[in-house]
Amino acid sequence: DAGITQSPRHKVTETGTPVTLRCHQTENHRYMYWYRQDPGHGLRLIHYSYGVKDTDKGEVSDGYSVSRSKTEDFLLTLESATSSQTSVYFCAIRKALGQGIEETQYFGPGTRLLVL
Amino acid sequence: GENVEQHPSTLSVQEGDSAVIKCTYSDSASNYFPWYKQELGKGPQLIIDIRSNVGEKKDQRIAVTLNKTAKHFSLHITETQPEDSAVYFCAADSGYALNFGKGTSLLVTP
Repeated sequence: DAGITQSPRHKVTETGTPVTLRCHQTENHRYMYWYRQDPGHGLRLIHYSYGVKDTDKGEVSDGYSVSRSKTEDFLLTLESATSSQTSVYFCAIRKALGQGIEETQYFGPGTRLLVL
Repeated sequence: GENVEQHPSTLSVQEGDSAVIKCTYSDSASNYFPWYKQELGKGPQLIIDIRSNVGEKKDQRIAVTLNKTAKHFSLHITETQPEDSAVYFCAADSGYALNFGKGTSLLVTP
């Protein structure tokens, strides 16, 4: 258990409405990530954060914005949802493997978003 | 940027047989290669990883091999069991994030 929760877990919305997904971590890790997962595309990076108020774009950032006002929360916003944003969204954190300094990514349970 | 290719996209084996999934990457600077297992309705779970300073790593029935010269790495699962059925993803680091292959759906039939 990497101490990551995502909310909501499921959401149905209409085209043109704003949507915000929340990722919450309990362990104070610096790096947090948002990915989307679609059939035939695997996991693609949307945005990531390397600290409070420090964010950067990933491979598929168009139509998405993020915010990180405190270490534990990383928010993903779809300003005006489109049907192409129907997907499963995963949050991830980067944390150390075991007792060492080497790090890897751990994923949350995901949010299923359907845009009608 | 980093491009990760994964094959096959689907794999069906009989219980007890071995399964091999292969990935190639493009960025010679990548030095960390994790593998994830994803069961239906869940997030990807790290199962094994390898760094560029080693060529092979084993953990019970699973092993990963890395050939940095050829830029490919593979996941080997021996004595497969029905509970190994899942989607497996390889990934390569790009310095700040991971780039993922498109996944392999493994089905182990009793």
